[in-house]
Amino acid sequence: KAGVTQTPRYLIKTRGQQVTLSCSPISGHRSVSWYQQTPGQGLQFLFEYFSETQRNKGNFPGRFSGRQFSNSRSEMNVSTLELGDSALYLCASSLEEGLNTQYFGPGTRLTVL
Amino acid sequence: AQSVTQLDSQVPVFEEAPVELRCNYSSSVSVYLFWYVQYPNQGLQLLLKYLSGSTLVKGINGFEAEFNKSQTSFHLRKPSVHISDTAEYFCAVQKTSGSRLTFGEGTQLTVNP
Repeated sequence: KAGVTQTPRYLIKTRGQQVTLSCSPISGHRSVSWYQQTPGQGLQFLFEYFSETQRNKGNFPGRFSGRQFSNSRSEMNVSTLELGDSALYLCASSLEEGLNTQYFGPGTRLTVL
Repeated sequence: AQSVTQLDSQVPVFEEAPVELRCNYSSSVSVYLFWYVQYPNQGLQLLLKYLSGSTLVKGINGFEAEFNKSQTSFHLRKPSVHISDTAEYFCAVQKTSGSRLTFGEGTQLTVNP
């Protein structure tokens, strides 16, 4: 079974632009979570989607948003990019919401110049 | 709220030596505990998890961890490490009622020949 896939793997943007990252969960998984990883803040939870609904949200500004489609694929969007948004964005999928092992994708490395 | 403290940011060891990576957690509610490993330029891979039952948990690649409720610890051990174990290791907790993972700061394990 294919793992979690994330596209693109690398992205370079400039301040003020917006970006959309994509995540395809493992087949049959219906829950998708997003995390931001930076050297200074470590791994931080962004949000979780299940059945096309946002179930949980971390402590990030409204510039960070996401959505989930009926096939469980998810996208996250960051508007008005700031230098501090440079990070590795990780997507994780699990069978259902709640306690289920989360399987992570390889991440998208976003660099904001 | 939950928090996780990984007591060592870097652990250098020689090949075939034993290793222990320390993790303490704090939570006002029941939690599940996880260890993930991250190799360079990759996502997170689950090593092992503690949900309930036996406090000694065995995972992949010869790793094991022991849950100690009284000391709120979940230390990761391996009796004999290999060069290929060089990676960053993350301890994480998850509320029994939710999906969000709260991660520690990570421990960089470097295995030297």
